[in-house]
Amino acid sequence: EAAVTQSPRNKVTVTGGNVTLSCRQTNSHNYMYWYRQDTGHGLRLIHYSYGAGNLQIGDVPDGYKATRTTQEDFFLLLELASPSQTSLYFCASHRDTYAEQFFGPGTRLTVL
Amino acid sequence: GDQVEQSPSALSLHEGTDSALRCNFTTTMRSVQWFRQNSRGSLISLFYLASGTKENGRLKSAFDSKERRYSTLHIRDAQLEDSGTYFCAAAGTGGNNKLTFGQGTVLSVIP
Repeated sequence: EAAVTQSPRNKVTVTGGNVTLSCRQTNSHNYMYWYRQDTGHGLRLIHYSYGAGNLQIGDVPDGYKATRTTQEDFFLLLELASPSQTSLYFCASHRDTYAEQFFGPGTRLTVL
Repeated sequence: GDQVEQSPSALSLHEGTDSALRCNFTTTMRSVQWFRQNSRGSLISLFYLASGTKENGRLKSAFDSKERRYSTLHIRDAQLEDSGTYFCAAAGTGGNNKLTFGQGTVLSVIP
């Protein structure tokens, strides 16, 4: 099964802080996604990418930037973190256009 | 946008009993995935279906192949370790593979 790793696994920052969440997959997957999950809810799509250098806007993009530096690496950037961005963040990837998505273990972010 | 309606929102089962979860889609979907989320927050992938049914042990999932507007997850002989939150997520028929998640079903299996 495809492996997706995320770092850090837990992060605490303060309002206005600068945070970068990292995601890596080494399965030659073209597509990568960032989701957030708030307590008691399903996941919602923030940004996604079709390949290195490509970025697409998801359903809840406000306050987030993303960068896909290589096929393997997808980063989520919070340049001015706010308490409303306290959440559990998941990265996912898949190879072909229509295929199963594989999820990372999640990063728990707390903004104080 | 595409909507995924998951039911029930919560469910208590006695060990050894059977039940089913359901997801309805407001529009035709291309594929569906089912996940279980444990208490630590990890998402465990259960099934990916583009059509038909799949079975794995005591779990079985089906995706309506005709109109592609609902999917079910059947749990047979429920065990304590089945407890957790179950999510379905569906990909639409547009030119991308974005997943829309349901709100989840909190399943408690009791002795």
